[in-house]
Amino acid sequence: DTGVSQDPRHKITKRGQNVTFRCDPISEHNRLYWYRQTLGQGPEFLTYFQNEAQLEKSRLLSDRFSAERPKGSFSTLEIQRTEQGDSAMYLCASSLVFPRAQYFGPGTRLTVL
Amino acid sequence: AQTVTQSQPEMSVQEAETVTLSCTYDTSESNYYLFWYKQPPSRQMILVIRQEAYKQQNATENRFSVNFQKAAKSFSLKISDSQLGDTAMYFCAFMKQEGGGADGLTFGKGTHLIIQP
Repeated sequence: DTGVSQDPRHKITKRGQNVTFRCDPISEHNRLYWYRQTLGQGPEFLTYFQNEAQLEKSRLLSDRFSAERPKGSFSTLEIQRTEQGDSAMYLCASSLVFPRAQYFGPGTRLTVL
Repeated sequence: AQTVTQSQPEMSVQEAETVTLSCTYDTSESNYYLFWYKQPPSRQMILVIRQEAYKQQNATENRFSVNFQKAAKSFSLKISDSQLGDTAMYFCAFMKQEGGGADGLTFGKGTHLIIQP
């Protein structure tokens, strides 16, 4: 059990560029979650997958955001046409269906200039 | 929709003291989970303790224990014999037990706990 990993750990981009983040969950976990955390706040839920199916999306997930989990293992989160307001820490977590305790990765810190 | 409130933005205690962090939540659900997570400075979120709402017994994990009051919708975290390594942001979080609607965690704004030597 190597824990949840995320890549890259830091990303600096210019406004208008597209970025993609990767998350590798704990191997036996079939649920995978994405959250966004801004400075001084708790994480906010974006979306989650059970296996390869994306079962829920928050209203925070605008149409510039897309997430995939093509083979039910790793997941990618893409942000198109980045805006300065997208600057945040993007966290990934995984869990079993039961128990539902979620285990978090180290996050990807995005800075949009 | 669920809300989670942590009314203490910051707390500071001396090493070896006991400290209690408060959390209240609002929900119309009867079955759910509650969690406390710890986020040390510049480090990742760590699960501290979890509680299933259907369990009356309060969860404990070593020096960490909770006081779960379902009727009052209160879920406080007690840290005994506090250590310097306990310095971190602590987040209280709620999750519905059943599907239908967002299945993610709803977090409070956090309490910054500082353990003084």
